[in-house]
Amino acid sequence: GAGVSQSPSNKVTEKGKDVELRCDPISGHTALYWYRQRLGQGLEFLIYFQGNSAPDKSGLPSDRFSAERTGESVSTLTIQRTQQEDSAVYLCASSLETSLYSYEQYFGPGTRLTVT
Amino acid sequence: AQSVTQLGSHVSVSEGALVLLRCNYSSSVPPYLFWYVQYPNQGLQLLLKYTSAATLVKGINGFEAEFKKSETSFHLTKPSAHMSDAAEYFCAVSVSNDYKLSFGAGTTVTVRA
Repeated sequence: GAGVSQSPSNKVTEKGKDVELRCDPISGHTALYWYRQRLGQGLEFLIYFQGNSAPDKSGLPSDRFSAERTGESVSTLTIQRTQQEDSAVYLCASSLETSLYSYEQYFGPGTRLTVT
Repeated sequence: AQSVTQLGSHVSVSEGALVLLRCNYSSSVPPYLFWYVQYPNQGLQLLLKYTSAATLVKGINGFEAEFKKSETSFHLTKPSAHMSDAAEYFCAVSVSNDYKLSFGAGTTVTVRA
């Protein structure tokens, strides 16, 4: 079966432009996560969706970042007025449930964002 | 808050040699610990996880890790490296058995023939 997919795989944008990143989770996975990985650093949690519950946005670094998810399907992460410090790999993951004890997070290959 | 430190951003081993990747965590409560691997152009894949059932955890592809509370460590080992083990490895921790993982910066492994 298909894993988590993300598009585009690479995105180069000019400072100040808006970008939209897409994540297609594994079918049937109710939980979806976005992480950011800056060069030489570990993954940072950004936002989490679980079913129809309100998303946990506690990891979003600024109000320029937002994300949406329609039901239990596709999610988009939007970065407005991009800055050079937004350059990173953005990773999406999905899982059946939220409990790490029981349910593994499956990661997509990521979108590499470069802001020039 | 919990944090993870991976010692060594790059490790180079000979094929057939021991692979040892170090991970130390800081947490005020018992943690859940994970190792993930990322092959080139692929997503992160779970290698193994510690959830307090046993201190020695066996994972996929011959990897194992040992939880040592006294040392706050969760080092990853493989007795004999294979060329296919070349990848980036991430240690991660969660203290509340929920979705928020804290990751280390990663260790890139290269395997010499």
